[in-house]
Amino acid sequence: SAVISQKPSRDICQRGTSLTIQCQVDSQVTMMFWYRQQPGQSLTLIATANQGSEATYESGFVIDKFPISRPNLTFSTLTVSNMSPEDSSIYLCSVKITTGVLAKGQYFGPGTRLTVT
Amino acid sequence: EDQVTQSPEALRLQEGESSSLNCSYTVSGLRGLFWYRQDPGKGPEFLFTLYSAGEEKEKERLKATLTKKESFLHITAPKPEDSATYLCAVPQGGGSYIPTFGRGTSLIVHP
Repeated sequence: SAVISQKPSRDICQRGTSLTIQCQVDSQVTMMFWYRQQPGQSLTLIATANQGSEATYESGFVIDKFPISRPNLTFSTLTVSNMSPEDSSIYLCSVKITTGVLAKGQYFGPGTRLTVT
Repeated sequence: EDQVTQSPEALRLQEGESSSLNCSYTVSGLRGLFWYRQDPGKGPEFLFTLYSAGEEKEKERLKATLTKKESFLHITAPKPEDSATYLCAVPQGGGSYIPTFGRGTSLIVHP
């Protein structure tokens, strides 16, 4: 398993500003993921962050809006830029555990609850 | 396109009243199905991975089963502390292990 922490746990921000969310893992992992969970919805993958390479963004998400850093194997940041009320959501960091070709579960951080006013 | 559908959306049970949650999926070459529990205001907590039809996993009052088209999460004699949203997820196809999540079942267990 993996223990994941996120900062901040919650924030209220004004539209047009940016917020950087930090994710720290207690062990080295190759792949880290950033998800968004809007109220009443399931998890939507924003991007995959691999150390030493550019993040890979899912359809509907772009680097200018959600820049990601991955400076080492235990840390990543997600920035929500030029925020609007539609960005109000829970943002979750996650890591994937695999055993050979079999996928095991992903482990999630506690989430960052963002409210944009 | 791969899809994961969970039912019911919401379920209310009395303490001790057993029931099952359903997760149906359409994906080619299943390489695992995951169940998670999510409490309000928290990230999902990993519960089980199932890899092949007929497989079962148990944890306390929860038992997960898998067929070729769906998975069930059976809750036996639930307690109020079992109240949570239960999510299932299936890795995307095409060599990706990234899971597609269902919308979840919100379970409330009344004392």
